[in-house]
Amino acid sequence: GQQVMQIPQYQHVQEGEDFTTYCNSSTTLSNIQWYKQRPGGHPVFLIQLVKSGEVKKQKRLTFQFGEAKKNSSLHITATQTTDVGTYFCAGRNSNSGYALNFGKGTSLLVTP
Amino acid sequence: EAGVVQSPRYKIIEKKQPVAFWCNPISGHNTLYWYRQNLGQGPELLIRYENEEAVDDSQLPKDRFSAERLKGVDSTLKIQPAELGDSAVYLCASSSGGPFYGYTFGSGTRLTVV
Repeated sequence: GQQVMQIPQYQHVQEGEDFTTYCNSSTTLSNIQWYKQRPGGHPVFLIQLVKSGEVKKQKRLTFQFGEAKKNSSLHITATQTTDVGTYFCAGRNSNSGYALNFGKGTSLLVTP
Repeated sequence: EAGVVQSPRYKIIEKKQPVAFWCNPISGHNTLYWYRQNLGQGPELLIRYENEEAVDDSQLPKDRFSAERLKGVDSTLKIQPAELGDSAVYLCASSSGGPFYGYTFGSGTRLTVV
């Protein structure tokens, strides 16, 4: 079945440094979504990417979808302590119907 | 608008006991999901409902887990009997439906089986 792999598993940065997490799928995805989960919280929807090569920005966050629609990345510029949490990618392909398959997430720790 | 409401927030039970979780999705959201999240892992789908119909329950351990969504609104997930390995956070999510909508998750129920 479809697997969505994320790296790194953990990342510890100093406030102001950049951060990137990568998501890779074994199969072509119809779309990919990104979620953020704060410690002790629940996943919160950030964004969806659908088109090959798509790039979307939300303030300091930049999301990319690969040309082959098998990988994606989330880049945070100049991290802040409020960025702390676990970032999950979740992909969907034609075989999974409407179900999203989540990666294991990248936990980001930002120290001031 | 109220978000996805789940209860209880926490539950501690002894193994072999039954337990039930309740979810009230966002009004108008026809699609409802139950996910299980183990510590340090991403959410894993248990079951998906379109209105009152369970359209994807392939990952639901049917020997001990059951779910229902009467009238296509609230949903209940039950485990009977619970095992130690069932300790996890059970998340309910809803969406407007279709493959291109984001999910809204509830706060989850943290289950501890002792």
